[in-house]
Order: sequence, then C-alpha cells, then structure tokens
Amino acid sequence: EAGVAQSPRYKIIEKRQSVAFWCNPISGHATLYWYQQILGQGPKLLIQFQNNGVVDDSQLPKDRFSAERLKGVDSTLKIQPAKLEDSAVYLCASSLDALGTQYFGPGTRLLVL
Amino acid sequence: GNSVTQMEGPVTLSEEAFLTINCTYTATGYPSLFWYVQYPGEGLQLLLKATKADDKGSNKGFEATYRKETTSFHLEKGSVQVSDSAVYFCALNSGGSNYKLTFGKGTLLTVNP
Repeated sequence: EAGVAQSPRYKIIEKRQSVAFWCNPISGHATLYWYQQILGQGPKLLIQFQNNGVVDDSQLPKDRFSAERLKGVDSTLKIQPAKLEDSAVYLCASSLDALGTQYFGPGTRLLVL
Repeated sequence: GNSVTQMEGPVTLSEEAFLTINCTYTATGYPSLFWYVQYPGEGLQLLLKATKADDKGSNKGFEATYRKETTSFHLEKGSVQVSDSAVYFCALNSGGSNYKLTFGKGTLLTVNP
C-alpha cells in the first residue's frame, strides 16, 4: 500500500514570496491533516479535512495560510506571503476517518530567507 | 488545554542499554496516548498506543503503560540497538469525535555501537 506522498521535499524562498505544498493521502482515507513542525518542537496541527470539508482550522494563520482539498483526495497548502518564522517542516497525514490512526508523509522542509 | 511534556534530549546510549523516555500529560477527559518515532529523513511513524488507563502498548521491543494516577506514559526498551536512533514523540488525542493529536517536543535518541 502506498503511503502519504508529499512534494516538494525541500523548498527555499525569500520572505514575502509565496509557496505551495502538495499532499496525496493514502487511497480511501477520508481525513487529511496538515501539521507544522518547527525545529526542536513537536508537530502542531494547522488544519484538518474530512473529505473536502474543513473540520478544524483553529491554529491556521488565515491571514497568510490557506489550504484546500477540492475533490476530497489531494490537498494543497499555500503560504502567501511567507515570513521568516514560517521556516519549518510541513507534514501531511491521513487516516481512514476522524478516529483512525494517522499516517504521516515524509514532509516538506521550507526555509524562508 | 491539552499538553504533553517529554524529557529533554538528547539521550545517548550504548547498544544493549536500557532506555526510558519520560512523558507526562495534561488533558481533559480520557485521552488516548501515543508514541511516534521519526527516523532520519522520514516521516513520523506510530510506534505504539494505549487507549485507556492501565493499558500497555508495545511494539518492536518498546513498551509504555498508560498511568492515569500519575498522568504518565513513559517509553521503555530493555536493550536498544543502533537502529533505534531516532526522534521519539509522545502524543495524546483530545478524545471525543475528533482525533486531534497534541505532541510533545520530541526526544532525540542516539545509540552508539
């Protein structure tokens, strides 16, 4: 069974630029999560989707971050404009449903200069 | 709110040594508890979990027991191997109908031959 796929694996941008990350969850998984992992800290949930609807985006900085999962499968997370403090690893995870075990992708490492 | 506190790392051990990584939590209700492991360059993997008090989760020689009276979920392994070198994260879910994970900061384990 293929795992959670993410791209790109690495991205370097300058502050105020925009960037987008892509996630393809495990086939059949209804729930998709985006986490931000700053160096030296544990992952922090940014947004949770159930199919194509948002369940929880309480910790998403909505003035600069946006995410969508239009067809209930793939998802994109966008940052516009980026700030230095957005440098982190962005992790995507999926689960069969909202109560299921979460499976994580390898992450996208973002560096904002 | 929910929180997880892990022992500070890094932890450096010799092969075949005994491992303990402490984890304590604060949560409302009756959370499930988890240990995730992150090997270099990879995403997080679920190592073990426990869903109620006095449950013991185990996998790959690792064990942790859900202690409600001390709000703890310490990770142990009797004899570590070089291949166990990784970052270990303790986490809890908020319970209810949503599987929102709250992570600790992680503990880096290095096992030397």
